[in-house]
Amino acid sequence: GNSVTQMEGPVTLSEEAFLTINCTYTATGYPSLFWYVQYPGEGLQLLLKATKADDKGSNKGFEATYRKETTSFHLEKGSVQVSDSAVYFCALSDETGANNLFFGTGTRLTVIP
Amino acid sequence: NAGVTQTPKFRVLKTGQSMTLLCAQDMNHEYMYWYRQDPGMGLRLIHYSVGEGTTAKGEVPDGYNVSRLKKQNFLLGLESAAPSQTSVYFCASSPHRYEQYFGPGTRLTVT
Repeated sequence: GNSVTQMEGPVTLSEEAFLTINCTYTATGYPSLFWYVQYPGEGLQLLLKATKADDKGSNKGFEATYRKETTSFHLEKGSVQVSDSAVYFCALSDETGANNLFFGTGTRLTVIP
Repeated sequence: NAGVTQTPKFRVLKTGQSMTLLCAQDMNHEYMYWYRQDPGMGLRLIHYSVGEGTTAKGEVPDGYNVSRLKKQNFLLGLESAAPSQTSVYFCASSPHRYEQYFGPGTRLTVT
């Protein structure tokens, strides 16, 4: 079946530090992979996506590369800001025709000045 | 363009009461979804719809019903609320299979 395993948080970093949030997945077929971000009190927003192996998704300085050989989609950012404080969710698409997403449990990031 | 909106934002119910959560989208999306978010469990799919007049069960459908009478609306009903249904509920819509747009959420407490 489909599942997503995310690095447990919370993660606390100082401003301008390097960020990595690990995500690995189990899936049948060839899913698309996503990172969503949830700011306090808000719904989830799509941060970036990759639809096939070796694709790199990027947005707002965040990047993640679809690694089929290691079944991973780790999120990285070179220099975090206080405004990046949020909960980050890794997700994969359901390739069985049900059109659904499977989410990881989320990783809370706090960036301190 | 409001995107995805949810009504109400907060609600407190007593065990056994019923209620309906409304989700509306103005983006003409075909697909709509209801999730619940619980601490340490991420988002879990309750029900979804791939078009007006259609609904299907997700991962955790028990205790919930849904209807999609109009393309822009997706209703989630709780017929007899239980404390285990205390959660934050998110609606989402999608123009195609994978990229989903989320509403702001409804925080429901069942006492």
